[in-house]
Amino acid sequence: AQKITQTQPGMFVQEKEAVTLDCTYDTSDPSYGLFWYKQPSSGEMIFLIYQGSYDQQNATEGRYSLNFQKARKSANLVISASQLGDSAMYFCAMRDRNSGNTPLVFGKGTRLSVIA
Amino acid sequence: DSGVTQTPKHLITATGQRVTLRCSPRSGDLSVYWYQQSLDQGLQFLIQYYNGEERAKGNILERFSAQQFPDLHSELNLSSLELGDSALYFCASSPHRDRASYEQYFGPGTRLTVT
Repeated sequence: AQKITQTQPGMFVQEKEAVTLDCTYDTSDPSYGLFWYKQPSSGEMIFLIYQGSYDQQNATEGRYSLNFQKARKSANLVISASQLGDSAMYFCAMRDRNSGNTPLVFGKGTRLSVIA
Repeated sequence: DSGVTQTPKHLITATGQRVTLRCSPRSGDLSVYWYQQSLDQGLQFLIQYYNGEERAKGNILERFSAQQFPDLHSELNLSSLELGDSALYFCASSPHRDRASYEQYFGPGTRLTVT
């Protein structure tokens, strides 16, 4: 069974600084996909970034990058130049890559607070 | 806007009652997923439908059921409601692709409060 662990219940970061949100995963599948979602206080789930288990390079999307260390089974999200609007819950998730139509398994999330 | 719509946005009801949550996926998406987000359990997968048929089942109670209609919209039925069923219920959709890289697009959620 797949499992996602996010060990940081809450994080604080100064505006314009970078922050790393931790995510470790466990799976016996050799092929899988990793995702990060953002949930602001309004409640919607916003997709941020994706990393495939066979991707050679770390994924990047604007200010978001994913520090993928396959041997350590970690997929940390790095947010550069934090903004006040980045304050939200962040969820790491994964799915079996062998089939695109499988449910996501989520971690418990990290609440990020950006301080002015 | 993800393109996934959910109604109603908020729902307040009493214990023992039955409610129906509705979801319309993004145009062209055949898969619909239902998730429950509660404070103690986090985000839990409930059930998935693909083109009208049940595809996968997660931690869905027997008091809950769902279906996907020919026009691909889906409904989640919750019956004999208990206080612990209070949660944010998300619907998500994804394209039919044989790649896990396609993210799921989430609707805005229905916040259910059972009193």
